[in-house]
Amino acid sequence: DAGVIQSPRHEVTEMGQEVTLRCKPISGHNSLFWYRQTMMRGLELLIYFNNNVPIDDSGMPEDRFSAKMPNASFSTLKIQPSEPRDSAVYFCASSFLLEDQPQHFGDGTRLSIL
Amino acid sequence: SQKIEQNSEALNIQEGKTATLTCNYTNYSPAYLQWYRQDPGRGPVFLLLIRENEKEKRKERLKVTFDTTLKQSLFHITASQPADSATYLCALHFKRQLTFGSGTQLTVLP
Repeated sequence: DAGVIQSPRHEVTEMGQEVTLRCKPISGHNSLFWYRQTMMRGLELLIYFNNNVPIDDSGMPEDRFSAKMPNASFSTLKIQPSEPRDSAVYFCASSFLLEDQPQHFGDGTRLSIL
Repeated sequence: SQKIEQNSEALNIQEGKTATLTCNYTNYSPAYLQWYRQDPGRGPVFLLLIRENEKEKRKERLKVTFDTTLKQSLFHITASQPADSATYLCALHFKRQLTFGSGTQLTVLP
């Protein structure tokens, strides 16, 4: 069974450009999570969805960040306009709705904003 | 404020020894606690989950304990191998979310 698939794996772009990160969760999972990982702040939850509906976006740093989940098999995280401080590794994870289930992570997108 | 601390940023041990990693938390009452492994350039991988009413959980060479009075979890790897070298993250389940510690980088020396 395929795991969580993220694309692109690496993204280098200039400040001010729009960045779109993509995620395909594991089939059958109904919760999806976006995280950001940096050396300074570790792994931080940005937003999560249950059954394609955003439940908690309190971790989204500012209005430049937005996330969508148009269907059960696809989600995007968009940054517009991007800034150098957005440079980080962004992870997507999925799980079943039940609280005691583990989360399955993709291998992340390493984003560098110049 | 809520806080999760993992005992040290880096831990070096000799192959064959038992590695013990610590996760302490404050101002949480988690129902579950999970441990993940992360290798360089990869996403975290789930290892073990322990519930608040469980004292100990084992899986092969791994053992996790959970003391809700001390607000602490210990993660043990027995008979450690160089292949166990990775960063280990604890995560607390609270308000339907996982909050992760900063991780401990374990190096098992041959």
